[in-house]
Amino acid sequence: RKEVEQDPGPFNVPEGATVAFNCTYSNSASQSFFWYRQDCRKEPKLLMSVYSSGNEDGRFTAQLNRASQYISLLIRDSKLSDSATYLCVVNEGGGADGLTFGKGTHLIIQP
Amino acid sequence: SQTIHQWPATLVQPVGSPLSLECTVEGTSNPNLYWYRQAAGRGLQLLFYSVGIGQISSEVPQNLSASRPQDRQFILSSKKLLLSDSGFYLCAWGTAVGYGYTFGSGTRLTVV
Repeated sequence: RKEVEQDPGPFNVPEGATVAFNCTYSNSASQSFFWYRQDCRKEPKLLMSVYSSGNEDGRFTAQLNRASQYISLLIRDSKLSDSATYLCVVNEGGGADGLTFGKGTHLIIQP
Repeated sequence: SQTIHQWPATLVQPVGSPLSLECTVEGTSNPNLYWYRQAAGRGLQLLFYSVGIGQISSEVPQNLSASRPQDRQFILSSKKLLLSDSGFYLCAWGTAVGYGYTFGSGTRLTVV
């Protein structure tokens, strides 16, 4: 059974702080990884892909640890607009039968 | 650029009534298409996916069905809705395996 596990939170973080959360996946054969952002009552939107060597996009840094089967997302200098639910997503590859989504981590940035 | 359209945005239907949700994609050919459902406070659940016209794969047995009458059109249907069908329905498209999907804006269905 495909499983992607995340701490649901909420993470309450003051504006300007750094926050990080992890996600674990069960299938060691998983081939691609993503972080999505979902605002309240809106559709999920792709935030960034996660590459084996780690990657950065502005204030956001994603890391992949294949040996331990976890993915992390780090947000630096957090903004009020970063408040959202962050979904960890894994594609096990080999077919078109969809991505497996974690249930998300709820992040609240406080002024 | 590619766009995905999904409608209606909100729907309130009585138990036992039929359902038809439509999704269309523009700006790409032969996309993989997906229907997901997100129940209140829960994760995304894959319902159906399609890799081509007339090709439908079902992930969860239920009273819903899907059809793909045209390359860029994906329809979710039900003959008789149940209370448990309430949720946020999302259509998505993707291309090659290994890339993320793009979601439509979703339909919030409430069955009463």
